[in-house]
Amino acid sequence: SAVISQKPSRDICQRGTSLTIQCQVDSQVTMMFWYRQQPGQSLTLIATANQGSEATYESGFVIDKFPISRPNLTFSTLTVSNMSPEDSSIYLCSVDRGYEQYFGPGTRLTVT
Amino acid sequence: QQQVKQSPQSLIVQKGGISIINCAYENTAFDYFPWYQQFPGKGPALLIAIRPDVSEKKEGRFTISFNKSAKQFSLHIMDSQPGDSATYFCAASPGNQFYFGTGTSLTVIP
Repeated sequence: SAVISQKPSRDICQRGTSLTIQCQVDSQVTMMFWYRQQPGQSLTLIATANQGSEATYESGFVIDKFPISRPNLTFSTLTVSNMSPEDSSIYLCSVDRGYEQYFGPGTRLTVT
Repeated sequence: QQQVKQSPQSLIVQKGGISIINCAYENTAFDYFPWYQQFPGKGPALLIAIRPDVSEKKEGRFTISFNKSAKQFSLHIMDSQPGDSATYFCAASPGNQFYFGTGTSLTVIP
């Protein structure tokens, strides 16, 4: 398994500002994933972050809006930029161990 | 296009009853099928998973039934308890990415 922590656990932000979410894993992993879960919805993959290379973004998500850093094998950040109320969601970090995927506790973001 | 279709959207079961959640897929490249349990305010937690070379996997009160020819799999929760009340997501993976169902909100009433 994997132990994943995220900071902050929740935040309320104003429109037009940015928030950086941190994800820390208890052991080294090659890939880290960022998901968005809108209220009552399923999980949508935002991007995959490999250490030492640019993140790979899924359709509908762009680097200017969701810049990702991956400075080492246990840490990643996701920034939600120029926020609007539509960005209100839970943002989840995850890692995989072979086929098994493990999730952090999530960051609940509310944009007013 | 939803790669994995999940039903029902919500489910209410009496304590001690059997909860059944169904998922269907089309992509034959999928070869790993996990179920996740998510409590409010928490991230999804891996509950049980199956590969298509077996038709059933059981762990405690949780069983996955897998029908390869029908491209369907289901989660059965036996002797459902109020503590099982959560949202359940099925998923499927071809090895490099996970595709999630839309979730089922399960409520077990005492």
